[in-house]
Amino acid sequence: GAVVSQHPSRVICKSGTSVKIECRSLDFQATTMFWYRQFPKQSLMLMATSNEGSKATYEQGVEKDKFLINHASLTLSTLTVTSAHPEDSSFYICSARYGGDYGYTFGSGTRLTVV
Amino acid sequence: GQNIDQPTEMTATEGAIVQINCTYQTSGFNGLFWYQQHAGEAPTFLSYNVLDGLEEKGRFSSFLSRSKGYSYLLLKELQMKDSASYLCAVLDSNYQLIWGAGTKLIIKP
Repeated sequence: GAVVSQHPSRVICKSGTSVKIECRSLDFQATTMFWYRQFPKQSLMLMATSNEGSKATYEQGVEKDKFLINHASLTLSTLTVTSAHPEDSSFYICSARYGGDYGYTFGSGTRLTVV
Repeated sequence: GQNIDQPTEMTATEGAIVQINCTYQTSGFNGLFWYQQHAGEAPTFLSYNVLDGLEEKGRFSSFLSRSKGYSYLLLKELQMKDSASYLCAVLDSNYQLIWGAGTKLIIKP
């Protein structure tokens, strides 16, 4: 149980274009979704926290106009990287809390490469 | 500030035992997680400790000392598939996960 499906797993896009990453909770309602970025050989860096039906809370240094987060339903949260640049190339992972202290589950991640 | 320290890399031999340490300084404490992450994949849950002591789960055990701000993950009977990064994360007073940089574990035959 408590599965988060993340798509796409890999995407290559041209500089200046936008990319949308989706995370769906398959068997539970995710009221809160966390979006992380991970550069090679580094730990997870929290970008933003999204709550269903409200605006996302962004971490310091993360541009909200560049990384658009939409959490329109209890089962779907999306991250759109707008006007992507090569430095945005990274591994993006979503995570949802599904209940209790144990309940953090991760999507499978999206490897974004901007060329 | 909030800080979690763990070794960058460790090497161990197949069949042996390895202990990965994690020390933390956070604003509040609501539990400590250990996750395993293979290269190019998302982290997978290993353990959660909120009370002092040792939690054993098969070949993996996790220990916590809240007074010392210290935890370790113990892996027994190491297998080649255990080669991965092991991430320590603390749930702070705001129930936000604070992540360590991870320990890359290399298993040699």
